Amino acid sequence: KNQVEQSPQSLIILEGKNCTLQCNYTVSPFSNLRWYKQDTGRGPVSLTIMTFSENTKSNGRYTATLDADTKQSSLHITASQLSDSASYICVPKGVGGGSQGNLIFGKGTKLSVKP
Amino acid sequence: GAGVSQSPSNKVTEKGKDVELRCDPISGHTALYWYRQSLGQGLEFLIYFQGNSAPDKSGLPSDRFSAERTGGSVSTLTIQRTQQEDSAVYLCASSAHSGSSYNEQFFGPGTRLTVL
Repeated sequence: KNQVEQSPQSLIILEGKNCTLQCNYTVSPFSNLRWYKQDTGRGPVSLTIMTFSENTKSNGRYTATLDADTKQSSLHITASQLSDSASYICVPKGVGGGSQGNLIFGKGTKLSVKP
Repeated sequence: GAGVSQSPSNKVTEKGKDVELRCDPISGHTALYWYRQSLGQGLEFLIYFQGNSAPDKSGLPSDRFSAERTGGSVSTLTIQRTQQEDSAVYLCASSAHSGSSYNEQFFGPGTRLTVL
């Protein structure tokens, strides 16, 4: 069964600090993986997408890594800001699988950045 | 040029009543998805529309749930005889088309449904 697990479940850091969020998945065969940011009361917004051949991709202060062999991904946030407070959702996608293409949403990591 | 919009933003209803949730996708997007997000849980797929094709209803949890998409644009999710376990945030998303595995889904702000 395709699954995705994210850790930690929640995290509190001080403004300006760095943090890394983890995602382990079992989707196979693998197509790509997205990280979404979901602010409270809002819908998720895509931060980055990584394909099988990509190891690292950056989007501003966000850097995602992917190890397709171990089926692990991480999202590193540098110099955190108060506006980074949100839930971060890992979404691996399988090949085929109909309209949803084995799109599996993780439960997310809830990040709180404190001043 | 607005994004995906949903209405109402909040809905409180009594157990046993019917509710309708509306989604206006991004203009020109042919694919439309409905998800349910319960507290502390990941997004749960409900139903998917692509153009004029028959919708994928494989995620609907019971026959109390139904959805339609009129004219390939606006969609309505209907929940009949609501139960307390239906309380959740219902999210709608649209994408340009589902032919590519890399198409990004753009989400609306959701409708928070509370069944008393």
